[in-house]
Amino acid sequence: AQSVTQLDSQVPVFEEAPVELRCNYSSSVSVYLFWYVQYPNQGLQLLLKYLSGSTLVKGINGFEAEFNKSQTSFHLRKPSVHISDTAEYFCAVSGVRGGYQKVTFGTGTKLQVIP
Amino acid sequence: NAGVTQTPKFQVLKTGQSMTLQCAQDMNHNSMYWYRQDPGMGLRLIYYSASEGTTDKGEVPNGYNVSRLNKREFSLRLESAAPSQTSVYFCASSEGGSNTEAFFGQGTRLTVV
Repeated sequence: AQSVTQLDSQVPVFEEAPVELRCNYSSSVSVYLFWYVQYPNQGLQLLLKYLSGSTLVKGINGFEAEFNKSQTSFHLRKPSVHISDTAEYFCAVSGVRGGYQKVTFGTGTKLQVIP
Repeated sequence: NAGVTQTPKFQVLKTGQSMTLQCAQDMNHNSMYWYRQDPGMGLRLIYYSASEGTTDKGEVPNGYNVSRLNKREFSLRLESAAPSQTSVYFCASSEGGSNTEAFFGQGTRLTVV
């Protein structure tokens, strides 16, 4: 079984401040980890993904995430946020189950950037 | 590049009515998915299709049916809509391997009154 926990449902942060959105996962097999972003009234789009190799992954719009196997975490960070980063962010874990790709999403974190 | 296209974008139904949500992808992906998104619950998988000709239930399949018409198209049908099915529905597709990303449509906002 696999699961994803995003403990923070909302994160307010001032413009140009750093931000960290937390994600913890559990899985009994090797996993692949993703962060997706959803802007208002739009579908989800990929921000970044961890497949293997370097534990620090860089994505679009200046975001990065670090895979920590011992802590089963995949936190998302940005050193300086902009108003345009206001969106909902979803962490997801992907594995294979019964021969198909099973993706489990977290409940999402709403990032509110305050001018 | 169209990617994943969903229709309609908005729909209001009366309890007991039926409707079909359409989804098409132009990326030659094997796998397609239907999710529903509700506040505070993230995305929950309704049905998926690992390949053309196959479909299977996800976490919340009750009240829904699907058809994988061909490799491009995957439709979701509500036979008798209920207020509990008020939600935003997303179709997604992927190549199918566990290390591949999903591509999402813009969503269908459905209200059942």
